[in-house]
Amino acid sequence: DTGVSQDPRHKITKRGQNVTFRCDPISEHNRLYWYRQTLGQGPEFLTYFQNEAQLEKSRLLSDRFSAERPKGSFSTLEIQRTEQGDSAMYLCASSLNGEAFFGQGTRLTVV
Amino acid sequence: QKEVEQDPGPLSVPEGAIVSLNCTYSNSAFQYFMWYRQYSRKGPELLMYTYSSGNKEDGRFTAQVDKSSKYISLFIRDSQPSDSATYLCAMRERDNYGQNFVFGPGTRLSVLP
Repeated sequence: DTGVSQDPRHKITKRGQNVTFRCDPISEHNRLYWYRQTLGQGPEFLTYFQNEAQLEKSRLLSDRFSAERPKGSFSTLEIQRTEQGDSAMYLCASSLNGEAFFGQGTRLTVV
Repeated sequence: QKEVEQDPGPLSVPEGAIVSLNCTYSNSAFQYFMWYRQYSRKGPELLMYTYSSGNKEDGRFTAQVDKSSKYISLFIRDSQPSDSATYLCAMRERDNYGQNFVFGPGTRLSVLP
């Protein structure tokens, strides 16, 4: 499978714990995006990488959130001190030209 | 006013009907336009991609972009129960400007057998 891969698919965590998600983009794609989606809403932009450089961050990305893309390959999204409001689907996408291809997402539930 | 507006539905049609899904937007810098299909608890799947204005056809799907009206459409011909999903429109500005994709809220479609 040469599509975008995300791990884990599901994560249940207690409030206050830290969680980390991983995204492996399509191999030749230099752009990588993180989005968050809640029920009944479209995906909301969190952050964007071109190669290893983080070029854009949304105001949604509070200081509890951090993302990295070492060596311009896979990316990680970490949420520290999780809150119940962080419960959502976290989507990763990669792009080479105009369009973006999404992974299956990581569904986070904070209890 | 949101940057991208989309009728959230839900929309129910009988099998075989022609479906029309629409989005309007306010940012005249959008140049790349996409339609995604999303099944419940899955990631969005790219259906159609159009650069700038015009029409694009792929099988039963036709995408139209009217930049002068800031309006895009997706038509589904001979709709099937397997088309039942949420349809998301997405847009991006031209290169060297905003790089993130902006989504509409999605339209839930049910195609009834």
